[in-house]
Amino acid sequence: RKEVEQDPGPFNVPEGATVAFNCTYSNSASQSFFWYRQDCRKEPKLLMSVYSSGNEDGRFTAQLNRASQYISLLIRDSKLSDSATYLCVVGEGGNKLTFGTGTQLKVEL
Amino acid sequence: DVKVTQSSRYLVKRTGEKVFLECVQDMDHENMFWYRQDPGLGLRLIYFSYDVKMKEKGDIPEGYSVSREKKERFSLILESASTNQTSMYLCASSTPGGGTGELFFGEGSRLTVL
Repeated sequence: RKEVEQDPGPFNVPEGATVAFNCTYSNSASQSFFWYRQDCRKEPKLLMSVYSSGNEDGRFTAQLNRASQYISLLIRDSKLSDSATYLCVVGEGGNKLTFGTGTQLKVEL
Repeated sequence: DVKVTQSSRYLVKRTGEKVFLECVQDMDHENMFWYRQDPGLGLRLIYFSYDVKMKEKGDIPEGYSVSREKKERFSLILESASTNQTSMYLCASSTPGGGTGELFFGEGSRLTVL
């Protein structure tokens, strides 16, 4: 079983749609959680951290469910510019971050 | 503006050649990392360093070595390149404190080994 699992997609959605991605992790001792965004042929960049209480940044909402060991990312009112691969990242303390393989999102007109 | 610079965007090497991938960061970060990214496998950690002359193995260190002689520079070395090392290599840096999540990546070096 992979340490961090994501549905690879692609998720093809129309502009303005709401889309949600889930990610599951295997290590119950994981301490920190993040979503990164990677555009085609570009490097990953931090999108947002994920806190136990859930957090929101504009159109993006991240949730953490420790009991079920999954993390979610909700994007409302999708824009063409949201098209990218979204990487779920889990930290186990120290310097170790484990990346999921990513979920590809394509927002279409 | 934060900057991590990788010396080569694209390289083509032959099996058995020695390959150096250079990475420089200008943020005075203590931590530096080398990942490789392959389709379906995601980013996998090769080595990381949390201080000058210090290094730690990541998940897939076999066939690689690293060097960190200066704080701003972290080099990845393939002693004898093999075709299964064809990949995208990403360097990253971060501040200490571990698990903060804010890794700053370079643009990547796409290596092809023939």
